[in-house]
Amino acid sequence: GQNIDQPTEMTATEGAIVQINCTYQTSGFNGLFWYQQHAGEAPTFLSYNVLDGLEEKGRFSSFLSRSKGYSYLLLKELQMKDSASYLCAAMDSNYQLIWGAGTKLIIKP
Amino acid sequence: EADIYQTPRYLVIGTGKKITLECSQTMGHDKMYWYQQDPGMELHLIHYSYGVNSTEKGDLSSESTVSRIRTEHFPLTLESARPSHTSQYLCASSVQGLHTGELFFGEGSRLTVL
Repeated sequence: GQNIDQPTEMTATEGAIVQINCTYQTSGFNGLFWYQQHAGEAPTFLSYNVLDGLEEKGRFSSFLSRSKGYSYLLLKELQMKDSASYLCAAMDSNYQLIWGAGTKLIIKP
Repeated sequence: EADIYQTPRYLVIGTGKKITLECSQTMGHDKMYWYQQDPGMELHLIHYSYGVNSTEKGDLSSESTVSRIRTEHFPLTLESARPSHTSQYLCASSVQGLHTGELFFGEGSRLTVL
């Protein structure tokens, strides 16, 4: 079957760095996506990886290893506004997104 | 700021009522989606569309219907609401092709069925 695994919750300190991991199993693969979702709001797109390696976008970076079925989202210089759920989603051979349940990130001062 | 709108934002109705959740986008996107999401849970695909007159069923489609008569409009109808339908409903759209996984979401419709 198709499956996405990511930790349920993580806690980090303001100004620090946090890495949120995601492993995936899909029928075919057409990319790995990260979304941010603040409580009570809709998800917003953060990043897209289809080739192995690191994609950097400001304070956020996303890494992909296709051979390991593994990705991570790296958040640097954490700010209180980064408190949110981070959703990992993999696109299968039918170009459908398979979603993880999300990682709730709690930022402490 | 995404140009995709959902109405109503909040709705409380009784069991057995028929409801339609509206979704409109002004970005000219071909693909549109309806998702259901409970707190702390993953998104579940209800229906999706590749364009006008195209509708496809997702994992949770059996108790609802959609239509796509115009590119910008993708309403979701529950024929007979039940308490198990209480949830957040999210509409989204995307382009076709390479960036098809970059979804733009509406603010959601939170439905409570008594």
